[in-house]
This record gives sequence, C-alpha cells and structure tokens, in this order.
Amino acid sequence: AAGVIQSPRHLIKEKRETATLKCYPIPRHDTVYWYQQGPGQDPQFLISFYEKMQSDKGSIPDRFSAQQFSDYHSELNMSSLELGDSALYFCASSSRDRGNLNEQFFGPGTRLTVL
Amino acid sequence: AQKVTQAQTEISVVEKEDVTLDCVYETRDTTYYLFWYKQPPSGELVFLIRRNSFDEQNEISGRYSWNFQKSTSSFNFTITASQVVDSAVYFCALSEVGGYKLSFGAGTTVTVRA
Repeated sequence: AAGVIQSPRHLIKEKRETATLKCYPIPRHDTVYWYQQGPGQDPQFLISFYEKMQSDKGSIPDRFSAQQFSDYHSELNMSSLELGDSALYFCASSSRDRGNLNEQFFGPGTRLTVL
Repeated sequence: AQKVTQAQTEISVVEKEDVTLDCVYETRDTTYYLFWYKQPPSGELVFLIRRNSFDEQNEISGRYSWNFQKSTSSFNFTITASQVVDSAVYFCALSEVGGYKLSFGAGTTVTVRA
C-alpha cells in the first residue's frame, strides 16, 4: 500500500538559509499534518491542512510557512534557519471522510541539520 | 488544553520479560482518541494501537495489550515476552475530535537485552 512520502530524507543547511520540505500524502487523504521532533524530544505539532485550507496551527515559528496544493501535497518552507531548527520533521496524512478519524499515517521524516 | 504524561523515561529488560508502559492523560473533552506509537532507532514513527474514549474494552493484539481506564485517565501498554527488536522509544499520544492534532508524551525508551 502507498505510504506518505517525504522529500528530501536528509537536508543540511547553513544558518540563515532557507529550506523547503515536501510531503506527498497517501492517495485520497485530504488532511496533512506537520510535526517537528528535536533531538531527544517528542514530536510537536506545527500546522495542519484540510482540503488545502489551514485547519489548525501549533507552535510554528513565524519564519516557517506551509501550504497544501491542489494535488494535496504539502510544502513546509523554513527561512532564516537557526541552529535550533535542526530536527526531524514528520508529515502525516489522514482521511476525515473515511470514518477513520484521527488515524494519522506518518511519513519517514526529513532530518534537517542546520550548521 | 491536553497533556500526556509518561512518567517512565527509560526501561531496561531482559528478553522474554514483559514490559508495561504507563501513560496518563488530561483533557477536558469527552470525546478523544489515545494512541501508542513506536519509534525505533531508524527514526520512523510506527502506529501501534488506537482507542477512542467511548471504548474502554481492553484487548490483546499479538504480544501487545493495553489497559484503558477512563476513571484514572490512564492508557497503559504492555509488551509480552519482549524481544530485542522491541527496543525503541514508545510514545503515548492524545487527540481531540475536531482538532485532530496529536499531543505526544515525552516518550519511554525501552531497551531489551538479549
């Protein structure tokens, strides 16, 4: 079965640079979530989209922005990168219309390292 | 606000021992979902189990079982006859209906020694 795809899997950037993370949800899933997991930490919710509209927002810095496109893939844009942004970024998808509310399927994550 | 507490930071056992992971949650909602996820050293998050707030029936799935007690806001998870491949960080998580985002506990690192 198709899973959530995230690209790139690994990314190394310098401070103050910009990074773009991509997420391709499971086909026919309408909701995408982004989570950030710092070293030794639990995943923290950043933002979510339902049917291409932002549906919820967590502790996402103003330097970050995200959107969901017409094909339901999502991108997380991160500017003015800081050392503290080094983390594992997960994307998850779910389908609200299939009776499986709250069943989020996670991608493999993108490991971002800021030097 | 919702909150998930996993009081155990690390657990170390010898293979074939049982491991029980504790999880206590807080929420003002009457409808919510509870989850357990496993994160092996490779880093991916693996879904293990889900329970909704209306279903307190405890079940067993293979070597996994869980004990959901609404009265004490606890959702404990047990691995029976542990194996080395069970070594991972285990996260308990909570989500509310409507918001859907997951709030994770701090995680419990399980090490199973051969």
